[in-house]
Amino acid sequence: QVQLQQSGPGLVKPSQTLSLTCAISGDSVYSNIAAWNWLRQSPSRGLEWLGRTYYRTQTRSKWFYDYAPSVKGRLTINPGTSKNQFSLQLNYVTPEDTAVYYCAREGVGLDVWGQGTTVTVSS
Amino acid sequence: QSVLTQPPSVSGAPGQRVTISCTGSSSNIGAGYDVHWYQQVPGTAPKLLIFRNTNRPSGVPDRFSGSKSGTSASLAITGLQAEDEADYYCHSYDSSLSPVVFGGGTKLTVL
Repeated sequence: QVQLQQSGPGLVKPSQTLSLTCAISGDSVYSNIAAWNWLRQSPSRGLEWLGRTYYRTQTRSKWFYDYAPSVKGRLTINPGTSKNQFSLQLNYVTPEDTAVYYCAREGVGLDVWGQGTTVTVSS
Repeated sequence: QSVLTQPPSVSGAPGQRVTISCTGSSSNIGAGYDVHWYQQVPGTAPKLLIFRNTNRPSGVPDRFSGSKSGTSASLAITGLQAEDEADYYCHSYDSSLSPVVFGGGTKLTVL
């Protein structure tokens, strides 16, 4: 079955970049029907969708990206090139970015989730 | 504030039926976008409970059902059990600012 395994630091200093990786097993980041999402959850913001990437070959093969307005300009989601994974990079973090971060596959709904990574932004 | 509106909490006794509403607008649920529902036990990742408005993934008991009408959707749970105590979230899509939107979540307490 499909599994997602998250990795990355649990503590990031303010103004630095948060980087997380989600390794995929049982599916491919190049899937033509799935999308690969990042979300986060905190008591103050609830469950918040951050962005996604997906690969489609209908007209010409290319990657697509969608980002939430709340993080657009600070967030980059990258598909893996040599590895079956995708990553999150959130720049200029503040304590407001403290949350549990999840990666998730979007097949029909978000049907597979990573285990979650607790990230604290603090000096 | 979340784009989709859910009641913060609902409760029911074992064996009873409860419903959780998810109210959107003409740019999301009312535009015909699908609604999905998730169950989250504290300390764990959300789990897909209902997809495409009314469908249950394999392994989800038929005590859980979903419906959608106009700009709203609902999750119904019949024959409440203690193990149903969790947070529930609705999820849809939107044609305005953010392509993916969530409800604020509803905490279900089994009395």
